[in-house]
Amino acid sequence: GAVVSQHPSWVICKSGTSVKIECRSLDFQATTMFWYRQFPKQSLMLMATSNEGSKATYEQGVEKDKFLINHASLTLSTLTVTSAHPEDSSFYICSARISESEAFFGQGTRLTVV
Amino acid sequence: KQEVTQIPAALSVPEGENLVLNCSFTDSAIYNLQWFRQDPGKGLTSLLLIQSSQREQTSGRLNASLDKSSGRSTLYIAASQPGDSATYLCAGISGAGSYQLTFGKGTKLSVIP
Repeated sequence: GAVVSQHPSWVICKSGTSVKIECRSLDFQATTMFWYRQFPKQSLMLMATSNEGSKATYEQGVEKDKFLINHASLTLSTLTVTSAHPEDSSFYICSARISESEAFFGQGTRLTVV
Repeated sequence: KQEVTQIPAALSVPEGENLVLNCSFTDSAIYNLQWFRQDPGKGLTSLLLIQSSQREQTSGRLNASLDKSSGRSTLYIAASQPGDSATYLCAGISGAGSYQLTFGKGTKLSVIP
């Protein structure tokens, strides 16, 4: 299957700083990527849909100024958590689709804000 | 709004046993359905995809079926092994042209040697 690479796999940052998470489709071009957040023992919650060359579409309740998404190329989308706070600590996962076929997921990023 | 329920939330079985995981949708208009496996602290690994024209898919010891009329899917695991221990998530797309997956909370499976 297709490969989606997410980096870093884990990060610890101080409260108030910003953290960037990268999501790359390694062997295919992804016009659309998705960013999810997962709390312990909870399902994946869609945060935003990232479209190459245009603004991301955010789900209700997700602060677009806090979670900046950039999809500058067909193989790379980035999520920047700005002015991170402890409540932003979570597991973030990106996903990419080629078409209406399978969704492929990155390895996830464990963010801990101290 | 589509909601997905997975039952049971957790399951513990002895090695070698066959088992069934269940997934149901509030909106039975499911276009695609996908089953994933998630190991602790890891991303998702796609197991099986049932596309709109299909009713089931098989891969090795895994078999997934989808009953669109009832909005239910099952994942059957035959001859379970300790390496099958993980959380299993089902997710669906409602409607052609939509790329968004709606996930259940998952079933945590433990296979005891």
